[in-house]
Amino acid sequence: GAVVSQHPSRVICKSGTSVKIECRSLDFQATTMFWYRQFPKQSLMLMATSNEGSKATYEQGVEKDKFLINHASLTLSTLTVTSAHPEDSSFYICSAIRGNEQFFGPGTRLTVL
Amino acid sequence: GQQVMQIPQYQHVQEGEDFTTYCNSSTTLSNIQWYKQRPGGHPVFLIQLVKSGEVKKQKRLTFQFGEAKKNSSLHITATQTTDVGTYFCAGPDGGGTSYGKLTFGQGTILTVHP
Repeated sequence: GAVVSQHPSRVICKSGTSVKIECRSLDFQATTMFWYRQFPKQSLMLMATSNEGSKATYEQGVEKDKFLINHASLTLSTLTVTSAHPEDSSFYICSAIRGNEQFFGPGTRLTVL
Repeated sequence: GQQVMQIPQYQHVQEGEDFTTYCNSSTTLSNIQWYKQRPGGHPVFLIQLVKSGEVKKQKRLTFQFGEAKKNSSLHITATQTTDVGTYFCAGPDGGGTSYGKLTFGQGTILTVHP
């Protein structure tokens, strides 16, 4: 069964609004989670590493003030897309490691109108 | 920075034909992982290869890790319609051993015609 959940699975919002996406590890603790973005028919691009109890580490080119990450507990990381624009429309996927395996969440499809 | 190249980008096969996707890294990898993403779905871990020259099989899927640990391949024998999806290879970012930060190849989109 699923070991990482994401909510919501799909969201449509207006330009300028903020959207929060939750990533939860189910039945295990994840001190580190990862946030990826995937555009249609393209690969996954790592956006940031979410660290429980400390600041997230962002990849080069990812605006930390636009993509706010909060890892407040050992089972929950949130990604907030602030002041969303149409170009932020994408598939956002989180992942967490359990043992030696990386488990991906089901993804959140964001559409910004 | 590290680059992971994957070819082909697309592959269309008739059901029953074989399929192979190739992955090349610009740096030596401590391990390489393969994922499958069904249309509309999320990546699902298939396997991890660690040793130089390693070959692993999962039913009709055969995974190889090159001797130099810079390239890998996934071969599917006698494809079925259930094999449809995008196959990604991924290596630890920066050449580390971390299972977390991954650099993904571009993926190969496989379609299987019945």
